[in-house]
Amino acid sequence: NAGVTQTPKFRVLKTGQSMTLLCAQDMNHEYMYWYRQDPGMGLRLIHYSVGEGTTAKGEVPDGYNVSRLKKQNFLLGLESAAPSQTSVYFCASNKASPGELFFGEGSRLTVL
Amino acid sequence: GESVGLHLPTLSVQEGDNSIINCAYSNSASDYFIWYKQESGKGPQFIIDIRSNMDKRQGQRVTVLLNKTVKHLSLQIAATQPGDSAVYFCADYTSGTYKYIFGTGTRLKVLA
Repeated sequence: NAGVTQTPKFRVLKTGQSMTLLCAQDMNHEYMYWYRQDPGMGLRLIHYSVGEGTTAKGEVPDGYNVSRLKKQNFLLGLESAAPSQTSVYFCASNKASPGELFFGEGSRLTVL
Repeated sequence: GESVGLHLPTLSVQEGDNSIINCAYSNSASDYFIWYKQESGKGPQFIIDIRSNMDKRQGQRVTVLLNKTVKHLSLQIAATQPGDSAVYFCADYTSGTYKYIFGTGTRLKVLA
């Protein structure tokens, strides 16, 4: 049972480039979340989804887009990367809210 | 905006002693709280949770205390071990928002 899998684990981008982070969960969870984690700060919610085909904005959504076309996948896109988006990105999922969030191992993104 | 914060950024304890990590939250409507442990380079791992209709909950070597009057949450770790060294986060949740708001984290260092 893989749980929550994030790809890629590391990526370096140049300013203005685009990329997509993929989160996949095999637990049949309804809810999925994307967080970013910066040094000295906690996890900040970017976007979340309460089910297949739905997405909603979190605390820091600007510069990011998401899609949840399949229940098991939650994609986070950066259309035009900026150095301020250098961060570690975590995906999480859970079966019901409130309830335990299951996190992936993180994707470290550097924007030069 | 509402926030969840921690009083101490770093806590050093002797192996075998008990550890207490504190957390203050500001949203009086929060009704669910959760603690996570994060080791270096890994995703957060669930420790324990508590709902607002409880003031104490115990797990294996861990206890969470909730004081709604002063909006304070604490995590107690009994007989702290070297493997407990990590960053600990609290988060709060308000029903209907689907948002878990994380604090900035406390680093726990276990001294041999």
